[in-house]
Amino acid sequence: GDSVTQMEGPVTLSEEAFLTINCTYTATGYPSLFWYVQYPGEGLQLLLKATKADDKGSNKGFEATYRKETTSFHLEKGSVQVSDSAVYFCALRGDSGGGADGLTFGKGTHLIIQP
Amino acid sequence: DAGITQSPRYKITETGRQVTLMCHQTWSHSYMFWYRQDLGHGLRLIYYSAAADITDKGEVPDGYVVSRSKTENFPLTLESATRSQTSVYFCASSDHQRQGKGSPLHFGNGTRLTVT
Repeated sequence: GDSVTQMEGPVTLSEEAFLTINCTYTATGYPSLFWYVQYPGEGLQLLLKATKADDKGSNKGFEATYRKETTSFHLEKGSVQVSDSAVYFCALRGDSGGGADGLTFGKGTHLIIQP
Repeated sequence: DAGITQSPRYKITETGRQVTLMCHQTWSHSYMFWYRQDLGHGLRLIYYSAAADITDKGEVPDGYVVSRSKTENFPLTLESATRSQTSVYFCASSDHQRQGKGSPLHFGNGTRLTVT
């Protein structure tokens, strides 16, 4: 079945550092890919998405490019802020339908940004 | 306000009790989902619904019951709560029946359930 793998962390960085959170996936066909962010005590919020190979999703300074050849969707940001501290989830929706009408999530990466 | 709301935000119950978590959305999205979030497991799909009166099992359905008599509501019931069901529960909705598989899920703020 479909699966998503990402580093769990915690990942600790200093403010203004460059961020990369790796995400790789296994799925048949051509899934849509998503990054969600979860702040403490809140639900998940969509950060960005990409629906086909070589698409780049971007939002709030974050970017991720859909790489079909490496089955990856790594999240990047050039200069992180303390307010970016949160848990980040990579997710996909595959082609198989049925229970996969929902999203398949990675386990989440806890990001901590220190001033 | 438009959106997806869950109630209660926090619930403590005893083993063996029945408890119902509520979920309401105002977008008229066709699909609704229940996930549970546990440390080390991420989010796992419990049940989903494609439309009113249509529900189906997800990855971890045992011990849970759902219903969907109206498009906007999707309650989740634990018929006899167990300690292993202590978790944070998230409801979500999606319009991907019309928007396709690129449409995102929209999440509520969750219910933190503790079973003692």
